[in-house]
Amino acid sequence: AQSVTQLDSQVPVFEEAPVELRCNYSSSVSVYLFWYVQYPNQGLQLLLKYLSGSTLVKGINGFEAEFNKSQTSFHLRKPSVHISDTAEYFCAVSKGKSTFGDGTTLTVKP
Amino acid sequence: DTGVSQNPRHKITKRGQNVTFRCDPISEHNRLYWYRQTLGQGPEFLTYFQNEAQLEKSRLLSDRFSAERPKGSFSTLEIQRTEQGDSAMYLCASSGQGADEQFFGPGTRLTVL
Repeated sequence: AQSVTQLDSQVPVFEEAPVELRCNYSSSVSVYLFWYVQYPNQGLQLLLKYLSGSTLVKGINGFEAEFNKSQTSFHLRKPSVHISDTAEYFCAVSKGKSTFGDGTTLTVKP
Repeated sequence: DTGVSQNPRHKITKRGQNVTFRCDPISEHNRLYWYRQTLGQGPEFLTYFQNEAQLEKSRLLSDRFSAERPKGSFSTLEIQRTEQGDSAMYLCASSGQGADEQFFGPGTRLTVL
């Protein structure tokens, strides 16, 4: 069984500020980890993924995430956010099917 | 590569009617997944196929739901006797064998009145 907990349901930040969206997971087997972004009325777009290798993963739009096996975490970070980053963000674990967290709404204010 | 496509994008139906959605995966992908997403929640797994074989079904998939992938290419998801609780976004995704990265379609938004 696998599960994902996104620790913050809403994260408001000002433009150009750094942001961290937190994700913890549990699984009885090794899994792959993903972050997706979803804009209103659209499907999911992959931001980045951890399959193996380096624990620091860089993705699109300046996002990065760090896999921490001992803490079973995969937090998403961006050093400077833009208004256009306002969206819903989902953390997911996958071994075959994917299990998603409930999402974090990132709101970037001017 | 045209990506994963889903039709229709929106469907409004009355309670008790049957609806069918279609998903066309990326052509070389042999795995196809269906998820359901309700407002304020992450996607929930419904079922997945490897080629034409349906390998796993969630307990969320009641007997009113049926999915097929007859030739291992496109898939259909049918909901019989729709209920208001079926209102959701239905997402389809596909992946290649051995690859856990799933590519998602734009979804079909179902509204049951």
